[in-house]
Amino acid sequence: AQSVSQHNHHVILSEAASLELGCNYSYGGTVNLFWYVQYPGQHLQLLLKYFSGDPLVKGIKGFEAEFIKSKFSFNLRKPSVQWSDTAEYFCAVNARGGYQKVTFGIGTKLQVIP
Amino acid sequence: DTEVTQTPKHLVMGMTNKKSLKCEQHMGHRAMYWYKQKAKKPPELMFVYSYEKLSINESVPSRFSPECPNSSLLNLHLHALQPEDSALYLCASSLSGGVSNEKLFFGSGTQLSVL
Repeated sequence: AQSVSQHNHHVILSEAASLELGCNYSYGGTVNLFWYVQYPGQHLQLLLKYFSGDPLVKGIKGFEAEFIKSKFSFNLRKPSVQWSDTAEYFCAVNARGGYQKVTFGIGTKLQVIP
Repeated sequence: DTEVTQTPKHLVMGMTNKKSLKCEQHMGHRAMYWYKQKAKKPPELMFVYSYEKLSINESVPSRFSPECPNSSLLNLHLHALQPEDSALYLCASSLSGGVSNEKLFFGSGTQLSVL
């Protein structure tokens, strides 16, 4: 079975600081990887995804993530965070092929201080 | 319209009640999902419908009964629930459900409390 670990449950940063949120997955086969974000009072929405090709994936709002197969990792990065990035971030994995059976990590709450 | 709409937003029910959660989308998506999320936990998949047929049931107790009357509508019928079933119930949709890298579109959820 697939699983996802997110190491940081609560991160507090000042505006303009750099962000890196860790995500590791466990699965023996090929996977698709996602980062979803939930802004306060809003629904979950896709930030970016990786399924093939360039392991460095760029998403909305200046976020990017790098898939490192040897480390089973898909860390999320942003060079300079803004107050509006305050949200909860979920890493997710789905085994390649077949139906959508997405497994989510526990989430990381990011608080950006102006 | 890129929204998934869930009603009601909040629901309180007793253990002997029967209630239903409703989810609707008008994006032409053919796959719809129910997730359950307890406090400080990740969303957990319950059911997947693809082209109005149940394709995944994650060993969910029978007191939860999903229904997909048409491609735009997904219901979750609740009966004889337990207090531990209190959670946020999220609905999601995707284009077809048959491709594993599809983007999921989520609703805002129904916060359910079972007394």
